[in-house]
Amino acid sequence: ETAVFQTPNYHVTQVGNEVSFNCKQTLGHDTMYWYKQDSKKLLKIMFSYNNKQLIVNETVPRRFSPQSSDKAHLNLRIKSVEPEDSAVYLCASSYWGYEQYFGPGTRLTVL
Amino acid sequence: AQKVIQVWSTASRQEGEELTLDCSYETSQVLYHLFWYKHLLSGEMVFLIRQMSSSTAKERSGRYSVVFQKSLKSISLVISALQPDDSGKYFCALWELVTQVVGQLTFGSGTRLQVYA
Repeated sequence: ETAVFQTPNYHVTQVGNEVSFNCKQTLGHDTMYWYKQDSKKLLKIMFSYNNKQLIVNETVPRRFSPQSSDKAHLNLRIKSVEPEDSAVYLCASSYWGYEQYFGPGTRLTVL
Repeated sequence: AQKVIQVWSTASRQEGEELTLDCSYETSQVLYHLFWYKHLLSGEMVFLIRQMSSSTAKERSGRYSVVFQKSLKSISLVISALQPDDSGKYFCALWELVTQVVGQLTFGSGTRLQVYA
């Protein structure tokens, strides 16, 4: 049963556009995450958000930014997409320190 | 250097057999957690089982169990009575406390399993 919801499932856009992905969790978790999954299915952490504290992976380009309205929501905004941003973006949530539950992912294609 | 290593990139078994997937890890932390996930063809990443570094219990969840050898920094996932639906990619992951407020989850490169009927 899905408890981490992501929208949209797919998004195709052109270089330079702004995109925004939504994530909501109904598990009551206190921490949420965004990952980028590459073509080999490897997951790289981008952001984690816990108790209003944002932890950023320093390798993430500045055009990426997370946005949270409450602990159940963590959206991802990309200001000006680049071709290398094409990937699947996975949202996850957890009780801090425990196993993370993942959403179905958003596949971004940048033309 | 890789923190989480899954040596076998692929594996295959017949239905009904048992499989052990190996994972080794590197950490200097005293307390850490280890997880196994399954990546489905649909793209979903499903949590399977957890092992806490402080626990000596043999963790089990349905047909999944783990063999935890802390001194060797090794954790294996054992899947019994394999079914074709067990086919997918399995990831080992290490969670460490980096600072008091920062935890880090590192995934291995995964092992793709094919179960034949």
